[in-house]
Amino acid sequence: SAVISQKPSRDICQRGTSLTIQCQVDSQVTMMFWYRQQPGQSLTLIATANQGSEATYESGFVIDKFPISRPNLTFSTLTVSNMSPEDSSIYLCSVEFTGPLYEQYFGPGTRLTVT
Amino acid sequence: EDQVTQSPEALRLQEGESSSLNCSYTVSGLRGLFWYRQDPGKGPEFLFTLYSAGEEKEKERLKATLTKKESFLHITAPKPEDSATYLCAVYPDSSYKLIFGSGTRLLVRP
Repeated sequence: SAVISQKPSRDICQRGTSLTIQCQVDSQVTMMFWYRQQPGQSLTLIATANQGSEATYESGFVIDKFPISRPNLTFSTLTVSNMSPEDSSIYLCSVEFTGPLYEQYFGPGTRLTVT
Repeated sequence: EDQVTQSPEALRLQEGESSSLNCSYTVSGLRGLFWYRQDPGKGPEFLFTLYSAGEEKEKERLKATLTKKESFLHITAPKPEDSATYLCAVYPDSSYKLIFGSGTRLLVRP
């Protein structure tokens, strides 16, 4: 298993500003993922972040809006840029463990409200 | 197209009333099927990974089973603290990402 922490846990931001969300894992992992969960909805993958390479974005998400950094095997950041009320969501980071077993664990989430 | 459908959308149970949640899936090849529990405002909590048809896993009052087309999450004698949204996700062997269902919201009344 993994212990994943996210900062901040929640924030209220003004339209047009940016917020950087941090994700820290207690062990080294190759693949980290960033998800968005809008109110009452299931999880939507934003991008996959592998250490040492550019993040891979899913359809509908672009680097200019959601820049991601992955400086090492235990840490990643997601920035939500030029925010609008539509960006109000829970943002979640996730890590994958592979080997004899596949397991994917999620952080506690960052609840973002844009006013 | 890979797809995951969960039913019912919502389920209300009395404490002690056992039931099952369904997760139907369509994938070209399955690397694994995941079950998560999610409480309001929190990240999903990993419960199980199932890998092949016929496999079963248990954790306290929960038991997950898997066939070639669906998975069931059986809840035996549930308690109010089991109230949460239960998410199912498949990990296709042709992809690097999970495909999530829309979840089942479970409410257990005392």
